[in-house]
Amino acid sequence: DAKTTQPNSMESNEEEPVHLPCNHSTISGTDYIHWYRQLPSQGPEYVIHGLTSNVNNRMASLAIAEDRKSSTLILHRATLRDAAVYYCILRDIQGAQKLVFGQGTRLTINP
Amino acid sequence: GAVVSQHPSRVICKSGTSVKIECRSLDFQATTMFWYRQFPKQSLMLMATSNEGSKATYEQGVEKDKFLINHASLTLSTLTVTSAHPEDSSFYICSARDRSVGGLTFSYEQYFGPGTRLTVT
Repeated sequence: DAKTTQPNSMESNEEEPVHLPCNHSTISGTDYIHWYRQLPSQGPEYVIHGLTSNVNNRMASLAIAEDRKSSTLILHRATLRDAAVYYCILRDIQGAQKLVFGQGTRLTINP
Repeated sequence: GAVVSQHPSRVICKSGTSVKIECRSLDFQATTMFWYRQFPKQSLMLMATSNEGSKATYEQGVEKDKFLINHASLTLSTLTVTSAHPEDSSFYICSARDRSVGGLTFSYEQYFGPGTRLTVT
């Protein structure tokens, strides 16, 4: 499985935008970029995914570099409820399509 | 929609006993379910992939005789931890893959259950 690299932790303030980076230099042409987040003592929650183009949904935006070797999850206006561990995962559309989690980024939101 | 439930949410068992954890997709059919384990302060570790009507595929290093997985229907998969020991204490999480097709591309989104915290004394 192609690997991703994320900062261990990030901190931001409430109501400010947050940009969470992810490097995936070995991404293949059939890998989708997925973002999940996990709140304490809960199962992961789907945030967003994309292949080549930038994506927006009600939770976040995903900006994908032109060479697809990196991406950034954007939370436009962070709230305290956004404090979680955010995982950037590559999933091959072929094969088993399993999600393999890395260490993720622990996001702390200051009031 | 797309809700996955797990039962029980918490369980405490004595060393040497077996415990069963259920994972259900409540409003969609899941041909494939996944089982993960998570120790405190660590990431999720994939244990096995469970396909409806066939044997589970275990990740390297996971004992299939200790962690029995059954996926008897499109909405239910079970994980049985046999002869549990204190080192098996962990947070067990399942996920289910929606088999629906979205537009021109396959969706196959995965939805996660809330997790089951197992404590072996």
